[in-house]
Amino acid sequence: QLHLQESGSGLVRPSETLSLTCAVSGVSLSSSSPSWTAPSWAWIRQPPGKGLEWIGYIYSDGSTYYLPSLRGRVTISADKSKNQFSLKLTSMTAADTAMYYCASLGVSNWFDPWGQGALVTVSS
Amino acid sequence: QSVLTQPPSVSGAPGQTVTISCNGGSSNIGAGYEVHWYQQLPGRAPTLLIYDSHNLASGIPARFSGSKSATSASLAITGLQADDEAEYFCQSYDRSLDGFYVFGTGTKVTVL
Repeated sequence: QLHLQESGSGLVRPSETLSLTCAVSGVSLSSSSPSWTAPSWAWIRQPPGKGLEWIGYIYSDGSTYYLPSLRGRVTISADKSKNQFSLKLTSMTAADTAMYYCASLGVSNWFDPWGQGALVTVSS
Repeated sequence: QSVLTQPPSVSGAPGQTVTISCNGGSSNIGAGYEVHWYQQLPGRAPTLLIYDSHNLASGIPARFSGSKSATSASLAITGLQADDEAEYFCQSYDRSLDGFYVFGTGTKVTVL
């Protein structure tokens, strides 16, 4: 059974960089399955009391796709040896305060399952 | 930057039916992209409820149903129960700005 678990910095100072990791269990990121059948790995965030915002994802071949408004600040990478993928978001501001979720993005374009979430607060 | 609009809240008594709309446009639902629905219980991560507009995710009771039309989609909950009280989000894909995944604004369902 596929399971995802976020970890990383819960408090980030303004202008600094957020680093989060999502540990994947139940499937190998190094799977030999054809790339068009393998899931992608995504990050989604939710500011307190607000809606969901897709941040980006990394495809099985390592290519990445990001929300246009976050391009230039965001990097998603994968470490297949550790079966995990990561999010880095630079130049953090209070507007980036949110619950950050990692999720599996299936080939049919829905997110399932999700991790439990990591609360990130931007404050000095 | 939600481009899928949902009503902020809907409510109903136990046993009643509530419907949640998800209104998009020509670059997302109207372009033929599928709609998926998620349930977010208080303090929990979202979970997949319905995929490809009308298919129930694993373990989801048939009280939940979904449909899609030209530029919108709907989620119906029949026989409303107390544990249906949650936030519900629709999700699709938008082909503008090089493409991005988009979520609805979210609807809080209250069981009276």
